[in-house]
Amino acid sequence: GAVVSQHPSRVICKSGTSVKIECRSLDFQATTMFWYRQFPKKSLMLMATSNEGSKATYEQGVEKDKFLINHASLTLSTLTVTSAHPEDSSFYICSAFRRGKNIQYFGAGTRLSVL
Amino acid sequence: DQQVKQNSPSLSVQEGRISILNCDYTNSMFDYFLWYKKYPAEGPTFLISISSIKDKNEDGRFTVFLNKSAKHLSLHIVPSQPGDSAVYFCAASPNTDKLIFGTGTRLQVFP
Repeated sequence: GAVVSQHPSRVICKSGTSVKIECRSLDFQATTMFWYRQFPKKSLMLMATSNEGSKATYEQGVEKDKFLINHASLTLSTLTVTSAHPEDSSFYICSAFRRGKNIQYFGAGTRLSVL
Repeated sequence: DQQVKQNSPSLSVQEGRISILNCDYTNSMFDYFLWYKKYPAEGPTFLISISSIKDKNEDGRFTVFLNKSAKHLSLHIVPSQPGDSAVYFCAASPNTDKLIFGTGTRLQVFP
């Protein structure tokens, strides 16, 4: 069964609104979670590293004020796309890093469509 | 600059035969490598991994080979099954939690 739950799986919103995506690790605690974005027929692009209890680390070119990340507990990280625009439409995927196994487990992804 | 490359965007293999997916990397600091399988509109699913201290790791029908001198790894699937049809990503880790993904190879296994 899934070890990382991502919700919602699909969201359609109007331009200018904000959208929150949740990522939960179900059976292990994750001090580190990751947020990716995938464009059609492209690789997964790492957006940011979410660290429990501290600020997220953003990759170059990713606007931290645009993509707000909160990792308030060991099992939950959230990504908020603020003031969404059509160019933010994409497939967003989270992952949780399981220490000991040294593996990232991925959520099912969220398809965001901004009208 | 693509540090992890999968030069074959697609591969077509007959059921029962061996599928070989290749991956090249440029950063010698990478010390842990993973293969993920991905279906459309879903997140990647972990398949198999290998540490840089090994050159082979096997799990059922899946075997990963690592050639550090050539900075090359490959995933062998044998025998291939129609359910293996998906996009396969290799990923490399530079001794941190972070993963660098390749561009993916779409595998199609036909009857």
